Amino acid sequence: QSVLTQPPSVSGAPGQRVTISCTGSGSNIGATYDVHWYQQLPGTAPKLVIYGNTNRPSGVPDRFSGSKSGSSASLAITGLQAEDEADYYCQSYDSSLSGAVFGGGTKLTVL
Amino acid sequence: VQLLQSGAEVKKPGSSVKVSCETFGGTFSSYTISWVRQAPGQGLEWVGTISPLLGIPNYTQKFQDRVTITADISTSTAYLELSSLRSEDTAVFYCARDRLESGMDVWGQGTTVTVSS
Repeated sequence: QSVLTQPPSVSGAPGQRVTISCTGSGSNIGATYDVHWYQQLPGTAPKLVIYGNTNRPSGVPDRFSGSKSGSSASLAITGLQAEDEADYYCQSYDSSLSGAVFGGGTKLTVL
Repeated sequence: VQLLQSGAEVKKPGSSVKVSCETFGGTFSSYTISWVRQAPGQGLEWVGTISPLLGIPNYTQKFQDRVTITADISTSTAYLELSSLRSEDTAVFYCARDRLESGMDVWGQGTTVTVSS
Protein backbone atom coordinates (compact mmCIF):
# COMPACT_ATOMS: atom_id res chain seq x y z
CA GLN A 1 0.00 0.00 0.00
CA SER A 2 1.76 3.15 -1.21
CA VAL A 3 1.45 6.46 0.62
CA LEU A 4 0.72 8.22 -2.68
CA THR A 5 -2.10 6.78 -4.81
CA GLN A 6 -1.85 6.45 -8.59
CA PRO A 7 -4.09 4.61 -11.07
CA PRO A 8 -2.51 1.25 -11.99
CA SER A 9 -2.83 1.91 -15.71
CA VAL A 10 -3.79 4.47 -18.34
CA SER A 11 -3.81 4.27 -22.10
CA GLY A 12 -4.15 6.45 -25.14
CA ALA A 13 -3.72 6.44 -28.89
CA PRO A 14 -0.78 8.12 -30.58
CA GLY A 15 -1.24 11.86 -30.68
CA GLN A 16 -3.74 11.90 -27.82
CA ARG A 17 -3.40 13.44 -24.35
CA VAL A 18 -3.33 11.43 -21.15
CA THR A 19 -3.13 12.42 -17.51
CA ILE A 20 -1.87 10.47 -14.52
CA SER A 21 -3.08 11.46 -11.07
CA CYS A 22 -1.23 11.22 -7.76
CA THR A 23 -3.21 11.63 -4.56
CA GLY A 24 -1.61 12.18 -1.19
CA SER A 25 -2.59 13.62 2.17
CA GLY A 26 -1.94 16.42 4.62
CA SER A 27 1.44 15.05 5.64
CA ASN A 28 2.91 15.03 2.13
CA ILE A 29 1.51 16.74 -0.98
CA GLY A 30 -1.10 18.60 1.07
CA ALA A 31 1.62 19.92 3.34
CA THR A 32 3.06 21.83 0.35
CA TYR A 33 5.93 19.41 -0.28
CA ASP A 34 6.93 19.31 -3.93
CA VAL A 35 5.95 16.50 -6.27
CA HIS A 36 8.34 14.93 -8.75
CA TRP A 37 7.59 12.51 -11.59
CA TYR A 38 9.75 9.69 -12.98
CA GLN A 39 9.53 7.65 -16.16
CA GLN A 40 10.83 4.10 -16.07
CA LEU A 41 11.27 2.15 -19.29
CA PRO A 42 11.44 -1.65 -18.96
CA GLY A 43 14.73 -2.84 -17.52
CA THR A 44 16.14 0.65 -16.98
CA ALA A 45 16.62 3.07 -14.11
CA PRO A 46 13.97 5.73 -13.47
CA LYS A 47 14.37 9.08 -15.20
CA LEU A 48 13.20 12.41 -13.78
CA VAL A 49 10.68 14.04 -16.12
CA ILE A 50 9.05 16.67 -13.85
CA TYR A 51 10.47 18.23 -10.68
CA GLY A 52 9.10 20.79 -8.26
CA ASN A 53 5.51 20.11 -9.40
CA THR A 54 5.76 21.82 -12.79
CA ASN A 55 9.37 22.00 -13.99
CA ARG A 56 10.92 19.99 -16.81
CA PRO A 57 14.60 18.99 -16.67
CA SER A 58 16.68 19.86 -19.67
CA GLY A 59 16.05 17.41 -22.50
CA VAL A 60 12.53 16.40 -21.49
CA PRO A 61 10.05 17.26 -24.27
CA ASP A 62 7.52 20.01 -23.56
CA ARG A 63 4.81 17.40 -24.23
CA PHE A 64 5.29 16.54 -20.54
CA SER A 65 3.76 18.88 -17.96
CA GLY A 66 2.93 18.74 -14.27
CA SER A 67 0.44 20.40 -11.98
CA LYS A 68 -0.48 20.33 -8.31
CA SER A 69 -3.57 21.33 -6.38
CA GLY A 70 -4.23 20.68 -2.71
CA SER A 71 -3.25 17.13 -1.85
CA SER A 72 -3.08 15.94 -5.46
CA ALA A 73 -0.81 16.28 -8.46
CA SER A 74 -1.05 15.30 -12.10
CA LEU A 75 1.28 14.49 -14.96
CA ALA A 76 -0.01 15.25 -18.44
CA ILE A 77 1.48 13.95 -21.67
CA THR A 78 0.24 15.43 -24.93
CA GLY A 79 0.88 14.21 -28.46
CA LEU A 80 1.43 10.65 -27.24
CA GLN A 81 4.22 8.74 -28.91
CA ALA A 82 5.09 5.05 -28.82
CA GLU A 83 8.30 5.87 -26.94
CA ASP A 84 6.23 7.25 -24.03
CA GLU A 85 5.05 3.76 -23.15
CA ALA A 86 6.53 3.20 -19.69
CA ASP A 87 5.81 3.14 -15.96
CA TYR A 88 5.41 6.53 -14.31
CA TYR A 89 5.89 7.27 -10.61
CA CYS A 90 5.14 10.33 -8.50
CA GLN A 91 7.29 11.13 -5.47
CA SER A 92 7.11 13.59 -2.60
CA TYR A 93 8.22 13.94 1.00
CA ASP A 94 6.18 12.88 4.01
CA SER A 95 6.60 14.67 7.31
CA SER A 96 5.08 11.92 9.44
CA LEU A 97 7.40 9.32 7.89
CA SER A 98 10.34 11.74 7.73
CA GLY A 99 11.35 10.59 4.29
CA ALA A 100 10.59 10.32 0.61
CA VAL A 101 7.46 8.53 -0.55
CA PHE A 102 6.52 7.16 -3.95
CA GLY A 103 3.26 6.40 -5.66
CA GLY A 104 2.57 2.80 -6.65
CA GLY A 105 3.26 3.56 -10.30
CA THR A 106 1.11 3.84 -13.42
CA LYS A 107 1.67 1.80 -16.56
CA LEU A 108 1.08 3.89 -19.66
CA THR A 109 0.13 1.94 -22.75
CA VAL A 110 0.19 3.62 -26.16
CA LEU A 111 -2.46 1.86 -28.22
CA VAL B 1 27.38 13.68 -12.81
CA GLN B 2 27.33 9.90 -13.17
CA LEU B 3 26.63 7.23 -10.58
CA LEU B 4 28.22 3.80 -11.04
CA GLN B 5 26.99 0.96 -8.85
CA SER B 6 28.65 -2.32 -7.96
CA GLY B 7 27.67 -5.55 -9.66
CA ALA B 8 24.92 -8.07 -9.01
CA GLU B 9 25.02 -10.10 -5.81
CA VAL B 10 23.65 -13.51 -4.86
CA LYS B 11 23.39 -14.05 -1.12
CA LYS B 12 22.23 -16.72 1.30
CA PRO B 13 19.39 -16.04 3.74
CA GLY B 14 20.72 -14.57 6.97
CA SER B 15 23.81 -13.02 5.38
CA SER B 16 24.54 -9.37 4.58
CA VAL B 17 25.15 -7.45 1.36
CA LYS B 18 26.96 -4.17 0.73
CA VAL B 19 26.28 -2.21 -2.46
CA SER B 20 28.44 0.70 -3.55
CA CYS B 21 27.61 3.81 -5.58
CA GLU B 22 30.60 5.75 -6.91
CA THR B 23 29.98 9.27 -8.21
CA PHE B 24 31.83 10.92 -11.08
CA GLY B 25 31.68 14.66 -11.64
CA GLY B 26 30.06 17.25 -9.44
CA THR B 27 30.91 17.80 -5.79
CA PHE B 28 30.00 14.67 -3.82
CA SER B 29 29.81 16.47 -0.50
CA SER B 30 27.35 19.08 -1.76
CA TYR B 31 24.32 16.87 -2.32
CA THR B 32 22.47 13.95 -0.79
CA ILE B 33 22.35 10.36 -2.01
CA SER B 34 19.16 8.34 -1.74
CA TRP B 35 18.75 4.59 -2.11
CA VAL B 36 15.60 3.20 -3.72
CA ARG B 37 14.47 -0.42 -3.83
CA GLN B 38 12.40 -2.15 -6.51
CA ALA B 39 11.24 -5.71 -5.89
CA PRO B 40 10.51 -7.88 -8.95
CA GLY B 41 7.43 -6.55 -10.76
CA GLN B 42 6.83 -3.95 -8.06
CA GLY B 43 7.10 -0.18 -7.68
CA LEU B 44 9.79 2.09 -6.29
CA GLU B 45 10.38 2.21 -2.53
CA TRP B 46 12.61 4.71 -0.73
CA VAL B 47 15.11 3.01 1.58
CA GLY B 48 17.14 5.89 2.97
CA THR B 49 19.20 9.00 2.37
CA ILE B 50 22.56 10.34 3.43
CA SER B 51 24.24 13.70 3.23
CA PRO B 52 27.95 12.93 2.67
CA LEU B 53 28.94 16.25 4.21
CA LEU B 54 27.04 15.64 7.42
CA GLY B 55 27.40 11.86 7.41
CA ILE B 56 23.98 11.52 9.00
CA PRO B 57 21.67 8.92 7.40
CA ASN B 58 17.89 8.81 7.44
CA TYR B 59 16.14 5.47 6.97
CA THR B 60 12.64 4.29 6.24
CA GLN B 61 11.13 2.61 9.27
CA LYS B 62 10.64 -0.64 7.36
CA PHE B 63 14.38 -1.29 7.10
CA GLN B 64 15.66 0.79 9.99
CA ASP B 65 16.91 -2.14 12.05
CA ARG B 66 18.69 -3.87 9.14
CA VAL B 67 20.06 -1.13 6.89
CA THR B 68 23.18 1.01 7.13
CA ILE B 69 23.94 3.81 4.67
CA THR B 70 27.38 5.42 4.70
CA ALA B 71 29.39 7.79 2.54
CA ASP B 72 33.13 8.16 1.95
CA ILE B 73 33.96 11.65 0.74
CA SER B 74 37.57 10.69 -0.06
CA THR B 75 36.36 8.23 -2.73
CA SER B 76 33.05 9.94 -3.61
CA THR B 77 31.28 6.68 -2.86
CA ALA B 78 28.08 5.90 -0.99
CA TYR B 79 27.28 2.49 0.42
CA LEU B 80 24.14 0.59 1.37
CA GLU B 81 24.44 -2.45 3.61
CA LEU B 82 21.47 -4.69 4.34
CA SER B 83 21.76 -7.42 6.95
CA SER B 84 19.75 -10.50 7.98
CA LEU B 85 18.74 -11.04 4.38
CA ARG B 86 15.61 -13.01 3.54
CA SER B 87 14.15 -14.13 0.22
CA GLU B 88 11.74 -11.17 0.10
CA ASP B 89 14.73 -8.80 0.05
CA THR B 90 15.41 -9.86 -3.53
CA ALA B 91 15.26 -6.63 -5.50
CA VAL B 92 17.08 -4.08 -7.61
CA PHE B 93 18.65 -1.32 -5.52
CA TYR B 94 19.25 2.08 -7.10
CA CYS B 95 21.25 5.01 -5.80
CA ALA B 96 20.26 8.49 -6.90
CA ARG B 97 21.46 12.04 -6.42
CA ASP B 98 18.64 13.60 -4.42
CA ARG B 99 18.23 17.33 -4.95
CA LEU B 100 15.28 17.26 -2.49
CA GLU B 101 13.12 20.12 -3.83
CA SER B 102 14.37 19.32 -7.34
CA GLY B 103 13.90 15.57 -7.23
CA MET B 104 16.27 12.64 -7.80
CA ASP B 105 17.91 13.83 -10.99
CA VAL B 106 20.73 11.33 -11.57
CA TRP B 107 20.40 7.58 -11.04
CA GLY B 108 22.80 4.69 -10.91
CA GLN B 109 22.26 1.73 -13.22
CA GLY B 110 20.88 -0.44 -10.41
CA THR B 111 22.28 -3.45 -8.55
CA THR B 112 20.34 -6.71 -8.45
CA VAL B 113 20.47 -8.48 -5.09
CA THR B 114 19.16 -12.03 -5.13
CA VAL B 115 18.61 -13.85 -1.84
CA SER B 116 18.36 -17.58 -2.28
CA SER B 117 19.41 -20.70 -0.47
